[in-house]
Amino acid sequence: ELKVEQNPLFLSMQEGKNYTIYCNYSTTSDRLYWYRQDPGKSLESLFVLLSNGAVKQEGRLMASLDTKARLSTLHITAAVHDLSATYFCAVRNTGNQFYFGTGTSLTVIP
Amino acid sequence: KAGVTQTPRYLIKTRGQQVTLSCSPISGHRSVSWYQQTPGQGLQFLFEYFSETQRNKGNFPGRFSGRQFSNSRSEMNVSTLELGDSALYLCASTEGVNTEAFFGQGTRLTVV
Repeated sequence: ELKVEQNPLFLSMQEGKNYTIYCNYSTTSDRLYWYRQDPGKSLESLFVLLSNGAVKQEGRLMASLDTKARLSTLHITAAVHDLSATYFCAVRNTGNQFYFGTGTSLTVIP
Repeated sequence: KAGVTQTPRYLIKTRGQQVTLSCSPISGHRSVSWYQQTPGQGLQFLFEYFSETQRNKGNFPGRFSGRQFSNSRSEMNVSTLELGDSALYLCASTEGVNTEAFFGQGTRLTVV
């Protein structure tokens, strides 16, 4: 079965600092998804990475994909409090099923 | 255009009861998938419906079932509720395979 691992599970960082969340997956996939979830809320799509070497940026978040290493990263630049949330990566099989990572709970401290 | 609508938003049920949750996808989307989210197990796939047919099923007991109507709206049913069924149930709407997925707000089910 396809497995997706994220680390760290919990991340507490000061405002203004940089950090990276890592996402490893166990089988070949050329599409990787990042979602954000606020407490009690649904999943908000952040990035869809469609090919090896893909890099996407939105504001203080940048995501990249290395399909050969089966690794995606979500880099946070100069964190602000509004980025506090849980971040999930996910891959999708040919059957349209998402496999989600465990999530990274990010808390940005003033 | 309207997003994915799940109803109800919150439910409290007693062990042994059954419950039905509803998901209306984005107009034009024919695929609806259901996910269960719990603190212990994370996000787990329940099943997917496409054009009124169940196309995929996750590893859940037969107490969990679903269906899809001709207007693409989907329902999931859980019978003989157990305490462990307490979770946030999310549905995802897509046009098809490998198109972007949009998630509803979820239904928070509490079993007491």
